[in-house]
Amino acid sequence: DAGITQSPRYKITETGRQVTLMCHQTWSHSYMFWYRQDLGHGLRLIYYSAAADITDKGEVSDGYVVSRSKTENFPLTLESATRSQTSVYFCASSGISEQFFGPGTRLTVL
Amino acid sequence: QKEVEQDPGPLSVPEGAIVSLNCTYSNSAFQYFMWYRQYSRKGPELLMYTYSSGNKEDGRFTAQVDKSSKYISLFIRDSQPSDSATYLCATHGSGNTGKLIFGQGTTLQVKP
Repeated sequence: DAGITQSPRYKITETGRQVTLMCHQTWSHSYMFWYRQDLGHGLRLIYYSAAADITDKGEVSDGYVVSRSKTENFPLTLESATRSQTSVYFCASSGISEQFFGPGTRLTVL
Repeated sequence: QKEVEQDPGPLSVPEGAIVSLNCTYSNSAFQYFMWYRQYSRKGPELLMYTYSSGNKEDGRFTAQVDKSSKYISLFIRDSQPSDSATYLCATHGSGNTGKLIFGQGTTLQVKP
């Protein structure tokens, strides 16, 4: 399927566990992004990537790690999950201008 | 001061009303502006994309940019219950990083 997909769509985990959220896009877009969305805060950028092997921190990167070995994939890892990381996570990609979003992953950390 | 400010609402209107959604931005160097629509429990989807000043129309939707006052607007004519969603304004900001700067989003409810 063309577009941008995220997996899993829902995840429940426990404090201290490592969790990886997957993101895959089929457009060969250069840029990819990870956001979290929380009530009262809107969309906040966690990490972004301008190309394979090029990543940079966003405004809320503490506790998160990313990698981008292939253009189409941009996994986000929570190294040791905390309750404050309970959120909805969106992956996005863009080519020249417009940014397209995935369906989101709803993560709950108990 | 946030780079993009948007009143979170909520905004409730009757079906058929004209809706005006607004954002202000801080940097006059910003040139590309977008409106995203986000339905509950879904990802944001691009609704309108404008460059610099002026209006852009697409069906019942009109996006307007006033660079002199650093103000962007989205107008929805003949609003429908299916327009009930959160609307986020965004700009590319300055520089060529690919990043977007988002407003907080305005929640709109159109009542039948």
